[in-house]
Amino acid sequence: AQKVTQAQTEISVVEKEDVTLDCVYETRDTTYYLFWYKQPPSGELVFLIRRNSFDEQNEISGRYSWNFQKSTSSFNFTITASQVVDSAVYFCALSTSSNTGKLIFGQGTTLQVKP
Amino acid sequence: DTAVSQTPKYLVTQMGNDKSIKCEQNLGHDTMYWYKQDSKKFLKIMFSYNNKELIINETVPNRFSPKSPDKAHLNLHINSLELGDSAVYFCASSQARLARGTDTQYFGPGTRLTVL
Repeated sequence: AQKVTQAQTEISVVEKEDVTLDCVYETRDTTYYLFWYKQPPSGELVFLIRRNSFDEQNEISGRYSWNFQKSTSSFNFTITASQVVDSAVYFCALSTSSNTGKLIFGQGTTLQVKP
Repeated sequence: DTAVSQTPKYLVTQMGNDKSIKCEQNLGHDTMYWYKQDSKKFLKIMFSYNNKELIINETVPNRFSPKSPDKAHLNLHINSLELGDSAVYFCASSQARLARGTDTQYFGPGTRLTVL
């Protein structure tokens, strides 16, 4: 079975705090791809990052960083020095080589950043 | 230029009606998708087409029929609308020539369907 779990339903932080959004995935495929998407209040889905299963290097993009650990099947997302504009629903998603391209989404984590 | 566009953005209709949502992408991608986001924000695949060929058809009522006139367009037609069809429908596209799940999917702005 393929599954993505985002155990944190809602997180509330004050601006400038660091926050980590957790993502745990399940798959038996050895080749798979992990994604993070952001859905701001305006409703669109914005692609943030894609990581393949053979690349465990962590990635940093500005205030965003991602920690991929195959040993724990996790692909966590950290926002450093959060800002009000980071308030959104964040989705982790999985796609595998055997599932013909469909994205399997987690339940989403709603992040509220208060000024 | 909008990469993946959907029309309309909002759709309010009565139960029993038939409606269509249109999607177009100008990215030159080969694969297009429809996802449904329910009231709890959960996103689930409905269909995918690769170069006009149906690839994925999840457990969706046959009142929903996708149509791909060419690889840049994927429309969704819904017959006999029901209250439970109220949701946000997202179109997406990816470069994936063989629909192997390797490529990033880019989403349209969504269509909020409300069935009264």
